[in-house]
Amino acid sequence: GQNIDQPTEMTATEGAIVQINCTYQTSGFNGLFWYQQHAGEAPTFLSYNVLDGLEEKGRFSSFLSRSKGYSYLLLKELQMKDSASYLCAVPDSNYQLIWGAGTKLIIKP
Amino acid sequence: DVKVTQSSRYLVKRTGEKVFLECVQDMDHENMFWYRQDPGLGLRLIYFSYDVKMKEKGDIPEGYSVSREKKERFSLILESASTNQTSMYLCASEGGEREGSSTDTQYFGPGTRLTVL
Repeated sequence: GQNIDQPTEMTATEGAIVQINCTYQTSGFNGLFWYQQHAGEAPTFLSYNVLDGLEEKGRFSSFLSRSKGYSYLLLKELQMKDSASYLCAVPDSNYQLIWGAGTKLIIKP
Repeated sequence: DVKVTQSSRYLVKRTGEKVFLECVQDMDHENMFWYRQDPGLGLRLIYFSYDVKMKEKGDIPEGYSVSREKKERFSLILESASTNQTSMYLCASEGGEREGSSTDTQYFGPGTRLTVL
């Protein structure tokens, strides 16, 4: 079967660094997405990884290890506006996205 | 920028009513999706469409139907609303941005929070 696991909730301090992990099990691999979703709003695209390694995009970076079925989203210099849920998603064998339940990130001053 | 709009942000309906949720995208995307999102669960796919007049069942199609008469518009229909259909409904469209890839970014509408009483 296909499964995605990520922590339900994390807390971090403004200005700090936080790493949000995602583990997945899929038959075949067609990349991994990270989305950000603020409370009451729609998810918005953050990153897409298809090759192993770290991809940096400003304060946000995303890492992938296909052999371990593992990804993480790294947020640096945290700001209060980063308080949101972070969703991990992978396409299944039919290229339909399977979504994790999301990690709610709480930023404290 | 891709824009996906949904007809209502909040909707309250009674059990047994027929409910229409409309979604419109302005990027000429071929692929469109309807999801529902409930606390503690990931987004669950209800229906999707790869072209006009084409529809495919997702993971939880029971109690729902869809219509895609025009490329830009994808409607979700609850034939007879029930209380267990109270949820956040999200529409998404997806385009061919990644050359040679079968997986593209999905762009979401603002969502419709439906309450069925």
